[in-house]
Amino acid sequence: DSGVTQTPKHLITATGQRVTLRCSPRSGDLSVYWYQQSLDQGLQFLIQYYNGEERAKGNILERFSAQQFPDLHSELNLSSLELGDSALYFCASSVEGLAEDTQYFGPGTRLTVL
Amino acid sequence: QKEVEQDPGPLSVPEGAIVSLNCTYSNSAFQYFMWYRQYSRKGPELLMYTYSSGNKEDGRFTAQVDKSSKYISLFIRDSQPSDSATYLCAMRNYGQNFVFGPGTRLSVLP
Repeated sequence: DSGVTQTPKHLITATGQRVTLRCSPRSGDLSVYWYQQSLDQGLQFLIQYYNGEERAKGNILERFSAQQFPDLHSELNLSSLELGDSALYFCASSVEGLAEDTQYFGPGTRLTVL
Repeated sequence: QKEVEQDPGPLSVPEGAIVSLNCTYSNSAFQYFMWYRQYSRKGPELLMYTYSSGNKEDGRFTAQVDKSSKYISLFIRDSQPSDSATYLCAMRNYGQNFVFGPGTRLSVLP
C-alpha cells in the first residue's frame, strides 16, 4: 500500500458525460501527479500540482482539467467524454515534486466510456 | 520515433535466470532515470532510481545508465515468479515532464 488513495475504483459512463476522479496524496506529500494509462498509449503524464499550484503540464486534453485543494487532495475532471478516454487513471504523489523525488502511485481509477 | 523505446515482450524466463530489461531514448537532456514495476491492475511502484550515468545496485536489482549511448538497463538476478510483472522505464529532466517507456511484460516460470 503506497499511501495514495484514489476514488472511485471503477467508473462506467457514457460518451458526452463528465466525471470527476479524486486523489488523496500520502501524508506529508505536497505534490500530486496525474497519469493516463491505455493499452495503445502506455503511461502518459497529464499534469502535476505542487501545494495547490500547477507545476508541469503534459499531454492533457483541453476537455480535461485538474486542481489541487488546500487540504492537498486533487481532482481530475474529464468532460465531453469519448470512447478513447477509456483508460486507467493514476494519481501519484511525492514530497516536493522535484525531478529526483520518488513518486508513489495510487491504485488507479478504471474509466470505461460506453 | 518515440521519445522512449522499450522492448514490449512478453519475456518468459525460468526461475533463477538473469533478466535484462532495456530502454533507449532520444532526448539527451534527460538526467533522472527510473525503473518501475507494475503488477496487473495495480499502480506502478518505484524499483530503482539513478541520476545521470552509472550503476546502482539494490539487492537482486542493478540499474545501469549509459548517457553517451542513450541506453538504460535493469538487471534482475536470481529471478523469482514474484518478479512476474510489467517493467516500465521512466526518465525526466528537471522541470520537464516525466516520460515513460511502453513497458516490458516479464513472466518468470517456476
